[in-house]
Amino acid sequence: AQKVTQAQTEISVVEKEDVTLDCVYETRDTTYYLFWYKQPPSGELVFLIRRNSFDEQNEISGRYSWNFQKSTSSFNFTITASQVVDSAVYFCALRSGLGSSNTGKLIFGQGTTLQVKP
Amino acid sequence: EPEVTQTPSHQVTQMGQEVILRCVPISNHLYFYWYRQILGQKVEFLVSFYNNEISEKSEIFDDQFSVERPDGSNFTLKIRSTKLEDSAMYFCASTGRSSPLHFGNGTRLTVT
Repeated sequence: AQKVTQAQTEISVVEKEDVTLDCVYETRDTTYYLFWYKQPPSGELVFLIRRNSFDEQNEISGRYSWNFQKSTSSFNFTITASQVVDSAVYFCALRSGLGSSNTGKLIFGQGTTLQVKP
Repeated sequence: EPEVTQTPSHQVTQMGQEVILRCVPISNHLYFYWYRQILGQKVEFLVSFYNNEISEKSEIFDDQFSVERPDGSNFTLKIRSTKLEDSAMYFCASTGRSSPLHFGNGTRLTVT
């Protein structure tokens, strides 16, 4: 069975601190995709990043960076120099590669609520 | 950039009534999904739809729910005889074969 675990329910930091959101996943598939979505207070789901299971290269996008480690089944997300606007719920998600038996549905973690205080 | 569009943004209905939530997926996408998020909880998969039929559904998606793609552009979720516990945010999503799931802004359903 597929599963995504975000053990941190809530994190509170002061602006300009770095913060790492943890994500651990379980799957038996050899081809899969990992995602991070942001859900601001307005409620929409904003796509941040997708990584496929064959690409363990870490990625940096501005203040955001992602560390994908297949050996530990983890896909952690770091925000550098956090800002108040980063306050949101962040979801990690897992998806199998589309195929005859896979419908490509996303399995979400429970989400981590990040509060960045001024 | 193309978007997934959901209407209405907020629907209030009385218990026992039927509601239809509407979605317009991105035009060249082939896979469609409905998800539900009860307030403060995680986003839960309801159903996936491909090639004009349901490809997978969760335990939540019982006989009370149905989906339809009536005209090749709209993708609807019907909830019959709504219950208080159906109150949630409902998200529609679509994807091509290798693209991320693109989500609509959601419909907040309130059952009173």
